[in-house]
Amino acid sequence: AQKITQTQPGMFVQEKEAVTLDCTYDTSDPSYGLFWYKQPSSGEMIFLIYQGSYDQQNATEGRYSLNFQKARKSANLVISASQLGDSAMYFCAMREDSFNAGNMLTFGGGTRLMVKP
Amino acid sequence: EADIYQTPRYLVIGTGKKITLECSQTMGHDKMYWYQQDPGMELHLIHYSYGVNSTEKGDLSSESTVSRIRTEHFPLTLESARPSHTSQYLCASSEEGLEPPLHFGNGTRLTVT
Repeated sequence: AQKITQTQPGMFVQEKEAVTLDCTYDTSDPSYGLFWYKQPSSGEMIFLIYQGSYDQQNATEGRYSLNFQKARKSANLVISASQLGDSAMYFCAMREDSFNAGNMLTFGGGTRLMVKP
Repeated sequence: EADIYQTPRYLVIGTGKKITLECSQTMGHDKMYWYQQDPGMELHLIHYSYGVNSTEKGDLSSESTVSRIRTEHFPLTLESARPSHTSQYLCASSEEGLEPPLHFGNGTRLTVT
């Protein structure tokens, strides 16, 4: 079974509007972390936001927020006020803590976001 | 902010050649990783290291090998490149602890003809 599922291969959003990128995960580990990364066409991976499984509040970083619904095992990324520079691939990733001393991540298949002017 | 460097940025090479992809970081991170990514696809962990003289294979089987002789340096080597090795290779490092994110280099886009 896929550990990280991103069901939207591609999405369009109008500039200045908000967009939600979906991510669901599968783990039996009680302690885990969820990450979102942005990958522009140049190829580098840019860290956006982190949510720990025991965090009570949803994480926020500037225009990025993470809608964490633990019971549903979802960790959707919300980007507010989209900008043209937000056009990129977005990857959701998970770290399972119990047997993972190395901070290794499992990645989803990604969502390509395209912002329309 | 971590500084992590990969060279070369792009590499086109013929089948059978030996290649080494370089990765260096200046932050003193003990943990380093190599991920492989086909275009538009997810990243797969191929190697990781907890520190000097520590290397382990990741989830995705790879014919590449790695070494970790110095903390800051984590090169990846392919003894005999094949077209199936064509991919992007991303190096990353992280601080101690569970929360710090991985910091990635810019990647090496390898094409084997």
